[in-house]
Amino acid sequence: AQSVAQPEDQVNVAEGNPLTVKCTYSVSGNPYLFWYVQYPNRGLQFLLKYITGDNLVKGSYGFEAEFNKSQTSFHLKKPSALVSDSALYFCAVRDWDSSYKLIFGSGTRLLVRP
Amino acid sequence: DAGITQSPRHKVTETGTPVTLRCHQTENHRYMYWYRQDPGHGLRLIHYSYGVKDTDKGEVSDGYSVSRSKTEDFLLTLESATSSQTSVYFCAISVRDRDSYEQYFGPGTRLTVT
Repeated sequence: AQSVAQPEDQVNVAEGNPLTVKCTYSVSGNPYLFWYVQYPNRGLQFLLKYITGDNLVKGSYGFEAEFNKSQTSFHLKKPSALVSDSALYFCAVRDWDSSYKLIFGSGTRLLVRP
Repeated sequence: DAGITQSPRHKVTETGTPVTLRCHQTENHRYMYWYRQDPGHGLRLIHYSYGVKDTDKGEVSDGYSVSRSKTEDFLLTLESATSSQTSVYFCAISVRDRDSYEQYFGPGTRLTVT
């Protein structure tokens, strides 16, 4: 069965510092991986995806993610964090049936302090 | 929120009462989904639909039913609400983007069962 894991419940970083939010996956076959962000009292917003091709994927708001097949990881990164990046981040993998449904990790809360 | 509306946005109800949540989309997308979000669990799929009158169960479908009589509307019904169904409910659609599908989410419905 497809699954993703987000090992950190919360990540704390100072504004201006680089940030990393971790995600590992377990799939049979090639993974389709996604990152979503949720701001308070809002729905989830799509950030970026990996389907195939370059291992470094660039997305919205200056975020990028690195796909690493040997480590089965898809970590979200940003070179310089902003206080406004504080939110809940979800990693997801597409399930391998015809429904295009996603399987989500438990989420990581990112707190960027001024 | 990708043309997705959910109603109501907030609801408080008593144990044992029926509740129906509505998801409405404006762009005739085929795939629609209902998720629930709970702390520590991320988002879990309740039911999904791949067309009018075509629905299937997700990971946590017990106690829930759905209906889709029109492309634009996907209804989630709790036949007899329980306190364990207190949660935030999100509707989503799948939208094709070049070589893959991406999910877009509605603003959510916060349901409290007392």
